Amino acid sequence: DSGVTQTPKHLITATGQRVTLRCSPRSGDLSVYWYQQSLDQGLQFLIQYYNGEERAKGNILERFSAQQFPDLHSELNLSSLELGDSALYFCASSVVNGNYGYTFGSGTRLTVV
Amino acid sequence: AQTVTQSQPEMSVQEAETVTLSCTYDTSESDYYLFWYKQPPSRQMILVIRQEAYKQQNATENRFSVNFQKAAKSFSLKISDSQLGDAAMYFCAYGEEGAQKLVFGQGTRLTINP
Repeated sequence: DSGVTQTPKHLITATGQRVTLRCSPRSGDLSVYWYQQSLDQGLQFLIQYYNGEERAKGNILERFSAQQFPDLHSELNLSSLELGDSALYFCASSVVNGNYGYTFGSGTRLTVV
Repeated sequence: AQTVTQSQPEMSVQEAETVTLSCTYDTSESDYYLFWYKQPPSRQMILVIRQEAYKQQNATENRFSVNFQKAAKSFSLKISDSQLGDAAMYFCAYGEEGAQKLVFGQGTRLTINP
């Protein structure tokens, strides 16, 4: 157990639907990062929050949004889902930034049918 | 934008032997950090080793060591005495000093032959 909790582990939904992925960071970590990993691909950075504020944004689609709550948990909202959104979505956390690497959760496997 | 390139999509090695995975990166920064992550079939991303660019000494963690060549922008991972449990995807990652994100390579799939 890495200390980063992601729920749900698996999600199957239809095209056009909206889903919410949840992440609780490791205790003491203030930064949360979201990454997308398509089949056998590298990890694409989506967005980062630090202590409730958005700090960095990657190639995140307009249909995707995220937020970090006062208790530091984060949610990634994916709407108007398309088949191409099927992927493994990782949440990671760190104390402040990436200098010492991240601690990753076990990911949410999203399948859009 | 910084890029990380892993030129070996797949590698294989006999159990107990040594294997080296390659990684190159592109940056104009002088202070940064480099990482190797392991992703076994469980899909969990696990930090294997970390290198600070300002340190000339290569990082070592048990059977894992790196060959960091700053001028060549090269960061290879050597796994000694390979074990079956080392079979996984290995990702090289780059992060600038104080950076808010890590940039990952496309990964190298390592197979261990018994």
